[in-house]
Amino acid sequence: DQQVKQNSPSLSVQEGRISILNCDYTNSMFDYFLWYKKYPAEGPTFLISISSIKDKNEDGRFTVFLNKSAKHLSLHIVPSQPGDSAVYFCAASARAGGTSYGKLTFGQGTILTVHP
Amino acid sequence: DTEVTQTPKHLVMGMTNKKSLKCEQHMGHRAMYWYKQKAKKPPELMFVYSYEKLSINESVPSRFSPECPNSSLLNLHLHALQPEDSALYLCASSQDWRGRGETQYFGPGTRLLVL
Repeated sequence: DQQVKQNSPSLSVQEGRISILNCDYTNSMFDYFLWYKKYPAEGPTFLISISSIKDKNEDGRFTVFLNKSAKHLSLHIVPSQPGDSAVYFCAASARAGGTSYGKLTFGQGTILTVHP
Repeated sequence: DTEVTQTPKHLVMGMTNKKSLKCEQHMGHRAMYWYKQKAKKPPELMFVYSYEKLSINESVPSRFSPECPNSSLLNLHLHALQPEDSALYLCASSQDWRGRGETQYFGPGTRLLVL
């Protein structure tokens, strides 16, 4: 049972344009969401997070939007740069209890390629 | 500083060998994690330590044995591994576990090949 889904395996974007990565979840106990960026053969790097009490969080070029009713979140990167090319993982945790309490559940990842 | 270090970076071992992976953080975090990641897959949680005590074991085979000697160090002892255990092993830490500071910071990983 895949509780966190990234339905787009890959995304290709032109440099300077907006990249939008999407993530859906099914577990209503999830209340904290994170995005990680990963280069090959390296560990994931934390990018940005959002708590379920917010619907938007911004950090420089990165903005995460959360739609709780749709159980959907998205990561916007503006403007996109070639160095952003990597695999992006969405992750979720349940801070209030349930079987996912204390664990990060990851999506399958989306490969972002930013072309010069 | 959000650095988690892992050694070695690469490891090749036979199925009869015993080896250890090491992880270190100096952020004062009280929760540490081991994950396994196969190619083109998300990280899979193996173990969680909170305040140096094992809190979660995700039904990991006993050929993987974790150890937390102190709050900054986490080891993963390997013995009699199988070729299918070849993967990237990731260590992570967070300020606490099951609390409000649980953003996990990952190390670079150890690339393990079992022959």
